[in-house]
Amino acid sequence: DADVTQTPRNRITKTGKRIMLECSQTKGHDRMYWYRQDPGLGLQLIYYSFDVKDINKGEISDGYSVSRQAQAKFSLSLESAIPNQTALYFCATSDFRGTQYFGPGTRLTVL
Amino acid sequence: AQSVTQLGSHVSVSEGALVLLRCNYSSSVPPYLFWYVQYPNQGLQLLLKYTTGATLVKGINGFEAEFKKSETSFHLTKPSAHMSDAAEYFCAVSIIQGAQKLVFGQGTRLTINP
Repeated sequence: DADVTQTPRNRITKTGKRIMLECSQTKGHDRMYWYRQDPGLGLQLIYYSFDVKDINKGEISDGYSVSRQAQAKFSLSLESAIPNQTALYFCATSDFRGTQYFGPGTRLTVL
Repeated sequence: AQSVTQLGSHVSVSEGALVLLRCNYSSSVPPYLFWYVQYPNQGLQLLLKYTTGATLVKGINGFEAEFKKSETSFHLTKPSAHMSDAAEYFCAVSIIQGAQKLVFGQGTRLTINP
């Protein structure tokens, strides 16, 4: 089984809808991250969490929120989706040396 | 603040030829440096990393990278390209102190010609 899983893998939604992307990990890491990937821009950090009680904004947090339900679960929400949030979203965990391990990604399309 | 620049958004080489993907970074403190690979429709997979010690780092699939502090570079190489190396490659930097966040370059798409 994969160490970092994301659901759903693909989602098409309409402008204004609320969307939740979920991430689960079995690596036992405290640190978890959400990124978005756009062509030609690499990965940009949305939010990160160093433990259940610690949530931090990344470079591009506007329009997004997160919830760390447990050490193993970190969810990303789009309260009111807009078309420019169409992107590939990745969840990652990190060990104490800073190496990050990525999930397979969620492809989100906002119409 | 840290930043990463990957020179060339698209690199094309022939099968069997040398692969060279360039990465330059800026960091005010000693960096940790990483190369990740992304195959189509997959997440990112760690190729190799530099933390401390030996500046020539060997990774998976025959790739290696050399940390050159004087040139602020961490270029990725492979002596002989294989068709299966076709993918997108990302260089990333992280700081040791404080928050362990990765800053990624924009990526380089590697195409292998038969």
